[in-house]
Amino acid sequence: EAGVVQSPRYKIIEKKQPVAFWCNPISGHNTLYWYLQNLGQGPELLIRYENEEAVDDSQLPKDRFSAERLKGVDSTLKIQPAELGDSAVYLCASSLGDGTDTQYFGPGTRLTVL
Amino acid sequence: AQSVSQHNHHVILSEAASLELGCNYSYGGTVNLFWYVQYPGQHLQLLLKYFSGDPLVKGIKGFEAEFIKSKFSFNLRKPSVQWSDTAEYFCAAANTNAGKSTFGDGTTLTVKP
Repeated sequence: EAGVVQSPRYKIIEKKQPVAFWCNPISGHNTLYWYLQNLGQGPELLIRYENEEAVDDSQLPKDRFSAERLKGVDSTLKIQPAELGDSAVYLCASSLGDGTDTQYFGPGTRLTVL
Repeated sequence: AQSVSQHNHHVILSEAASLELGCNYSYGGTVNLFWYVQYPGQHLQLLLKYFSGDPLVKGIKGFEAEFIKSKFSFNLRKPSVQWSDTAEYFCAAANTNAGKSTFGDGTTLTVKP
């Protein structure tokens, strides 16, 4: 069974530039999560989808971050414009059930904003 | 707000020593509890979980955890660690009413050969 796929694995951009991350969850998993992980901290939820509906986006900074999961499968997270403080690892995860179920994580995208 | 606290930020042990990593959560209702592990260079993966039933759960690689409801705790244990257990360990609690999970800040375990 293929795991959660994320791309790119690494991204270096200058501040004020846009950036996008892509995630393909495990086949059949209805719930998809985007997390931000800073060094020395645990994953912090940005947004959670159940199918194509964003059911929890309370922690997503909507002035610069956006996400979509148009067909309820893969998803894109965008930052525009990026700031220095956005440097972090962006994790995607998926689960078969709702937000209380076991989550399967992708390898993450390490973003560096210069 | 729901929160998860992991008491130890960094633990250093010698091989064959016993391990216990603390985890406490703040939510008083029904919770699902997890320990995830991230080995160097790898992605986060499930170590073990508790949803209901026997509060002592066993996971992969000889790890176990005990849910103590009265203490809001879900501590991770292993009787004898190996060098290959060197990793970062994250506790997570899922509030079944709100349908969301919260992660602790993780504990880095270093096992010296």
